[in-house]
Amino acid sequence: DVKVTQSSRYLVKRTGEKVFLECVQDMDHENMFWYRQDPGLGLRLIYFSYDVKMKEKGDIPEGYSVSREKKERFSLILESASTNQTSMYLCASSLLGGVDEQYFGPGTRLTVT
Amino acid sequence: QKEVEQDPGPLSVPEGAIVSLNCTYSNSAFQYFMWYRQYSRKGPELLMYTYSSGNKEDGRFTAQVDKSSKYISLFIRDSQPSDSATYLCAMDGSARQLTFGSGTQLTVLP
Repeated sequence: DVKVTQSSRYLVKRTGEKVFLECVQDMDHENMFWYRQDPGLGLRLIYFSYDVKMKEKGDIPEGYSVSREKKERFSLILESASTNQTSMYLCASSLLGGVDEQYFGPGTRLTVT
Repeated sequence: QKEVEQDPGPLSVPEGAIVSLNCTYSNSAFQYFMWYRQYSRKGPELLMYTYSSGNKEDGRFTAQVDKSSKYISLFIRDSQPSDSATYLCAMDGSARQLTFGSGTQLTVLP
């Protein structure tokens, strides 16, 4: 079974803090994705990576950065957290491109106060 | 206008009912159409996957795509309480990205 794990289920941070969200997949997948999920807006792609050290912006990259130093690990960084970044963050991975099944982690509920 | 619009729900039906979940889209480049199911406090999981127009059946689930109308549907027959979840449609128009609908929350009452 593919397993995608995220470092925290719940996280509370203060405005201005630097926040790291970690994601690890154990199936040697090439592609990894970070989404945020908000009521009424669905899943929105923040960044994705199709190879180690490669990254591409998604639909809403502002205020975020990512790091992929190893194939199995994809980190999302909030350089200076703001209250409008309070959301559910979902990591996913897939073996091939966009038509391939994406496997999601359980999500991290981030609250910025 | 969003590229993918999905009925927001929430939708509540009695056990055994036929459920119809729908999405419309505006980008004619979309070729692959998927339905993901997301249980509470879990990540989404792929439920159905279709390419181009037509129907695809898997047990109690049928996915239908009408490219001429830019409309996709997911039908659930003999719905069960275990089907209670949020259903997200997703479409692929480029090599590596999916575009998701906002999701429909479904509750099947016993």
